[in-house]
Amino acid sequence: EVQLVESGGDLVQPGGSLRLSCAASGFTFSSYSMNWVRQAPGKGLEWISYISRGSSNIYYADSVQGRFTISRDNAKNSLYLQMNGLRAEDTAVYYCAQMTGVVIWGQGTLVTVSS
Amino acid sequence: NFMLTQPHSVSESPGKTVTISCTGSSGSIASNSVQWYQQRPGSAPTTVIYEDNQRPSGVPDRFSGSIDSSSNSASLTISGLKTEDEADYYCQSYDSGDHVVFGGGTKLTVL
Repeated sequence: EVQLVESGGDLVQPGGSLRLSCAASGFTFSSYSMNWVRQAPGKGLEWISYISRGSSNIYYADSVQGRFTISRDNAKNSLYLQMNGLRAEDTAVYYCAQMTGVVIWGQGTLVTVSS
Repeated sequence: NFMLTQPHSVSESPGKTVTISCTGSSGSIASNSVQWYQQRPGSAPTTVIYEDNQRPSGVPDRFSGSIDSSSNSASLTISGLKTEDEADYYCQSYDSGDHVVFGGGTKLTVL
């Protein structure tokens, strides 16, 4: 079964850091680019970052540029999102997604930024 | 910046047909693929249409996607509406830099 499972979401204070992980299974992870997408409470979907298959191309949304870092480990079938300088407006459910062909979504992990 | 515009909400009765539009702000929406996602409350999005008009296995053929270049828009059409189709629907495509762009989402009410 094709599956993406996110983890690492938590309650963190403003200015803090968090690292999200996404474990892939059921497909050849190294053959696909990957994305992180988030959804603030009651809001729509917001794309935040992209990484190519071999990590040579990386893009960020303006809202997270300079604070978040996307990475991947193809040997471990895993995608990561390092989040620094967290703000209240970063509070959201974070999804990893494989967006080539039939788009595959994880179940999401909740990040809450609050004091 | 390239944007996709969707109606905030649509409503229709069970058994009827509804169409949700997704209009590109510039360029040609036909230049990049368009995907459609369904999201029920409290759940992750799922794909109902990819590459403009392709259905993943398991998605009923009541769901269809199309592109209209003349209006620079994509459409998701759901026929034979069922109460289980009530959800938020998002379109998605790419900007000129190949960055993912989502529409604002449309709340479908089946009443």
